Amino acid sequence: GAVVSQHPSRVICKSGTSVKIECRSLDFQATTMFWYRQFPKQSLMLMATSNEGSKATYEQGVEKDKFLINHASLTLSTLTVTSAHPEDSSFYICSASPLGRSDTEAFFGQGTRLTVV
Amino acid sequence: KQEVTQIPAALSVPEGENLVLNCSFTDSAIYNLQWFRQDPGKGLTSLLLIQSSQREQTSGRLNASLDKSSGRSTLYIAASQPGDSATYLCVCSGYIPTFGRGTSLIVHP
Repeated sequence: GAVVSQHPSRVICKSGTSVKIECRSLDFQATTMFWYRQFPKQSLMLMATSNEGSKATYEQGVEKDKFLINHASLTLSTLTVTSAHPEDSSFYICSASPLGRSDTEAFFGQGTRLTVV
Repeated sequence: KQEVTQIPAALSVPEGENLVLNCSFTDSAIYNLQWFRQDPGKGLTSLLLIQSSQREQTSGRLNASLDKSSGRSTLYIAASQPGDSATYLCVCSGYIPTFGRGTSLIVHP
């Protein structure tokens, strides 16, 4: 079946540094990928919609300059947490669906647990 | 905007019980509905996918139903085991997959 690979699975970084998370669709192309964030004991909340070749669409309350999204190709989207702070510590996950297949299941990456110290 | 609600939020049961987890959604224009489990500190494990044209899916001790007209899905777990302890998430996919808050399940030996 279709696979979405997310890397890294865990990362610990110091406050003030930037962290890049990659989301790759391994065996299909996706014009759109979605990024989610999970706060402790909360649901996964949509942060932004990543569009290949254009700017990402951010949900209300998500800082565009802090969470930079780049969808460089039909198989790769990246989320960069800039100038990370401890409150950015969270579980981040991406999802994608095969190009042109709106009726198929969404495939999710394994998630990235970010800890900012 | 799609809203997904899961009831109960938490459940603690002795081993062997049959369980029903509920998921409701406000917008019935979905392509499919998926059930996942999430173990503490881990990613998502896909359990069942129900297409919008289907009414139920089964996998082992798990059975999921979908009633689009009423905006509801249920996940039935038969003969629960301690290994079933996890958070169960319902995800409704229209253009954007939308998550419920999950049901945290603990099955006691």
